[in-house]
Amino acid sequence: DTEVTQTPKHLVMGMTNKKSLKCEQHMGHRAMYWYKQKAKKPPELMFVYSYEKLSINESVPSRFSPECPNSSLLNLHLHALQPEDSALYLCASSQVYTTTYEQYFGPGTRLTVT
Amino acid sequence: DAKTTQPNSMESNEEEPVHLPCNHSTISGTDYIHWYRQLPSQGPEYVIHGLTSNVNNRMASLAIAEDRKSSTLILHRATLRDAAVYYCILRGMTDSNYQLIWGAGTKLIIKP
Repeated sequence: DTEVTQTPKHLVMGMTNKKSLKCEQHMGHRAMYWYKQKAKKPPELMFVYSYEKLSINESVPSRFSPECPNSSLLNLHLHALQPEDSALYLCASSQVYTTTYEQYFGPGTRLTVT
Repeated sequence: DAKTTQPNSMESNEEEPVHLPCNHSTISGTDYIHWYRQLPSQGPEYVIHGLTSNVNNRMASLAIAEDRKSSTLILHRATLRDAAVYYCILRGMTDSNYQLIWGAGTKLIIKP
């Protein structure tokens, strides 16, 4: 199984709402990532978890709060977002010690902030 | 950080070879060259990677210039399903081995 699943596929939320994005993989990967992708742009790295610990935070605003409850799950908690946060949010996973570091991506959650 | 430069878009006919160029003139000696592609409405998927030598796999070939300042992704026989945005990416061998430095991408259009 080389699939990364993400829920929900689409999310519309107001600026005062709290919501969460979920990501799951069962490939035994111990590195998991959150990316943000705006239209016609490459993905931008937000967070990296390695062995369930946050290893990289790319200066992401605190209204985005990641969580890695176990080695298969990755959440992104959203609170008080701005309209400019509307984007495709991608989750990915990879092995930690490998020559390829091939990342497997989910299909993304399309987020609209109103 | 090293950067990559790619053409915004390219067109090719179905069942013909496609050569997608990438310039990375500031590449360091330990940077790997990766290619990913993103089909419409999907997340990116890994295509191929290399360091110095040319590489082949079931999806594509990667030709790396001798000075490593450029590379070319080769799709030997493009199909309509290959229409996607192709990203040329550098990955440095640093403590943050997980980080991929993404180029802007080339949108590949396949004409039937």
